[in-house]
Amino acid sequence: EAQVTQNPRYLITVTGKKLTVTCSQNMNHEYMSWYRQDPGLGLRQIYYSMNVEVTDKGDVPEGYKVSRKEKRNFPLILESPSPNQTSLYFCASSQRNTPSYEQYFGPGTRLTVT
Amino acid sequence: SQKIEQNSEALNIQEGKTATLTCNYTNYSPAYLQWYRQDPGRGPVFLLLIRENEKEKRKERLKVTFDTTLKQSLFHITASQPADSATYLCALASGSARQLTFGSGTQLTVLP
Repeated sequence: EAQVTQNPRYLITVTGKKLTVTCSQNMNHEYMSWYRQDPGLGLRQIYYSMNVEVTDKGDVPEGYKVSRKEKRNFPLILESPSPNQTSLYFCASSQRNTPSYEQYFGPGTRLTVT
Repeated sequence: SQKIEQNSEALNIQEGKTATLTCNYTNYSPAYLQWYRQDPGRGPVFLLLIRENEKEKRKERLKVTFDTTLKQSLFHITASQPADSATYLCALASGSARQLTFGSGTQLTVLP
């Protein structure tokens, strides 16, 4: 089954404790991205990657890091989480790096930073 | 600044009627506009894509229009059913853009 998976689905952590949210897709997609979703603000892009070893900042990259060492994986790293990073996070992938292609979203990771 | 607005946060409609959702944008010249459905606690699911040179797109009970003069897209669900209840997101991108910009969504409830 074609899908985007994320782990963990739920995470409660404390300020300053480094964490990684994994994302994997099995569709051989070139393009992957991370979004955060907050009430009233919609989906905002954090980082995106057009291919292996190619990443770029989205609209809200501060406090996040990413890497793309393999085509299928695109982990999101929070080196020192803060409470304002409490949010619902989605990973997405797309066949090509143009907006003429649909995006496939993962199930989401709900992160709470206390 | 660029802005995307989707009509009223919540829309209630009676089963069988046509639901019409609006996506307005300002300071934007999108080449592509996409619509997604999102159920509570789940990731968005792609529904339809329409290009700037297309006036209308249909898929089963869904219809999308794109008016670049009015800077507006309308999303219609005909013969609505309670199972259509969800949040619907519009997303835009210019031709040269590498990313979509999403609206905050409209929550649709279809009442039986």
